[in-house]
Amino acid sequence: KAGVTQTPRYLIKTRGQQVTLSCSPISGHRSVSWYQQTPGQGLQFLFEYFSETQRNKGNFPGRFSGRQFSNSRSEMNVSTLELGDSALYLCASSLGGLGVHEQYFGPGTRLTVT
Amino acid sequence: AQRVTQPEKLLSVFKGAPVELKCNYSYSGSPELFWYVQYSRQRLQLLLRHISRESIKGFTADLNKGETSFHLKKPFAQEEDSAMYYCALKAGGTSYGKLTFGQGTILTVHP
Repeated sequence: KAGVTQTPRYLIKTRGQQVTLSCSPISGHRSVSWYQQTPGQGLQFLFEYFSETQRNKGNFPGRFSGRQFSNSRSEMNVSTLELGDSALYLCASSLGGLGVHEQYFGPGTRLTVT
Repeated sequence: AQRVTQPEKLLSVFKGAPVELKCNYSYSGSPELFWYVQYSRQRLQLLLRHISRESIKGFTADLNKGETSFHLKKPFAQEEDSAMYYCALKAGGTSYGKLTFGQGTILTVHP
């Protein structure tokens, strides 16, 4: 079974620009969660999508948004980039139905904002 | 709101010594607790979860609701255990795919 994939793996953007990150979950998984990882704040939950609907949202400004497609692939978008958005963005997929399901993490996208 | 605290950023032990990575949480309901591990140049992966009560790679963790702790233990550390360890909590209700992570502990096992 192929693991969670994220593209691109590395990205350099300029302040004020916007960026779109992509996440392909494990086949059969319907839930995709996104996390931001920084040295100062650690791993912080951004949002989670299940069957194309946002089910949960963390405490991030509205510049951070996401969506999920019918094939469960997910994208997250950050508009008007700030220097503080530089981070490793991780996505994780799981079955997502009732009960507690293991989250499988992707390798991450390293975003640098200059 | 829930919170997870891992008081040690760094932990060093010698091979064969016991190791304990501490995790404390604050949450008013009944949480589900996990330990995730990240080995060098690998992705984050689940090590164990409290509901399964299993031992993985010799590691165990017991949920202590009275002390709100979920410490990770191994009686004899191995060099291959060197990694970053994260404690994570999933709240009840509508938390679904949301995990709250601690800041992580870097474990180094010396030969």
